[in-house]
Amino acid sequence: GAGVSQSPSNKVTEKGKDVELRCDPISGHTALYWYRQRLGQGLEFLIYFQGNSAPDKSGLPSDRFSAERTGESVSTLTIQRTQQEDSAVYLCASSSAQGGNQPQHFGDGTRLSIL
Amino acid sequence: DAKTTQPTSMDCAEGRAANLPCNHSTISGNEYVYWYRQIHSQGPQYIIHGLKNNETNEMASLIITEDRKSSTLILPHATLRDTAVYYCIVSRSSGTYKYIFGTGTRLKVLA
Repeated sequence: GAGVSQSPSNKVTEKGKDVELRCDPISGHTALYWYRQRLGQGLEFLIYFQGNSAPDKSGLPSDRFSAERTGESVSTLTIQRTQQEDSAVYLCASSSAQGGNQPQHFGDGTRLSIL
Repeated sequence: DAKTTQPTSMDCAEGRAANLPCNHSTISGNEYVYWYRQIHSQGPQYIIHGLKNNETNEMASLIITEDRKSSTLILPHATLRDTAVYYCIVSRSSGTYKYIFGTGTRLKVLA
């Protein structure tokens, strides 16, 4: 079946512009996660959705970052007034249940470059 | 901070078993051990996970010590395509379930 899909795969934008990154999770997966990976580093947690609610936003680095999820499906991560330090790969993952031991399944990410 | 420690890098000869260790000495009773790998320019790929017992699937085997303070991922017959960064993660079975990634082990399989 289809995996987690992210778009665009690459995004280049100028400093100060707003960007929207999209994640389509695996169908039926109720949990959705956003992570950020800077060059040469591990993944940093940003935000977690259970259904359309976000009980954990603790990883969002500033109020320029926001995310929403609709229809317990698609999620959008928005970065306003982008800065050069926002350059990274943004990864989305989904899993099938809130509890238990269901692993997260990742997309291939959006590579964001801020000029 | 990550709750796991892994060697920075390892080499393995093609066709031989690759044994990747992970220490998680502060693991809690309800935390699972997950292994993922990341090949350049791709998202992390799920490999295997376990709680107490050893696990095996088509990709790998996971050996967890009896005290659960460490584990080993075994790739039984490594190929060049197994060259990747391997991440060991511990995650609760309740709450946010977010993963906290360390820096992983960079495995290079040599021809």
